[in-house]
Amino acid sequence: DAGVIQSPRHEVTEMGQEVTLRCKLISGHNSLFWYRQTMMRGLELLIYFNNNVPIDDSGMPEDRFSAKMPNASFSTLKIQPSEPRDSAVYFCASSLAGEQPQHFGDGTRLSIL
Amino acid sequence: GIQVEQSPPDLILQEGANSTLRCNFSDSVNNLQWFHQNPWGQLINLFYIPSGTKQNGRLSATTVATERYSLLYISSSQTTDSGVYFCAVLPWSGGSNYKLTFGKGTLLTVNP
Repeated sequence: DAGVIQSPRHEVTEMGQEVTLRCKLISGHNSLFWYRQTMMRGLELLIYFNNNVPIDDSGMPEDRFSAKMPNASFSTLKIQPSEPRDSAVYFCASSLAGEQPQHFGDGTRLSIL
Repeated sequence: GIQVEQSPPDLILQEGANSTLRCNFSDSVNNLQWFHQNPWGQLINLFYIPSGTKQNGRLSATTVATERYSLLYISSSQTTDSGVYFCAVLPWSGGSNYKLTFGKGTLLTVNP
């Protein structure tokens, strides 16, 4: 079975640009999580979707960040405008249900210059 | 919220050695997962183990839920085992039955 698929793997862009990260869930999973990992703060949950509906977005740092699930198998995380402090590794994870084991994608390493 | 403490923070081994990593948590849990983050940054599921014992090849894990700890055993370590091992838990209590709390990890280095 294919795991969680994220794209791109690496993104380098200049501050002020729009960044879009993409995630394809494991087939049959209905819960989707976006995380950010930095040296200072470790892994932080940004947003959680269940059945395409955002349930908890309390971790989204500010209005520059937005996430969508246009369908049951796909999600995007957008940063607009991007800033150097957004540089981090962004992970997407999915699970059968909120409390079930989470499976992580390979992450997107984002560098904002 | 729930506290997750992992020990040791760092561990250096020679290839072939065995090791035990520990995860203590401060409250009852609904879910406990062990992950390996390899040097390329990938987070790999090792075990889903809210209680009991599981084995997968050279790795095994035991969670004693009543005493609020979990152990990850690595036998005959290989250089490819290097990386950071994270324990993550989902507490029983509270309304958010989806928010994993991660420990700070154990950085394992296996030398040839």
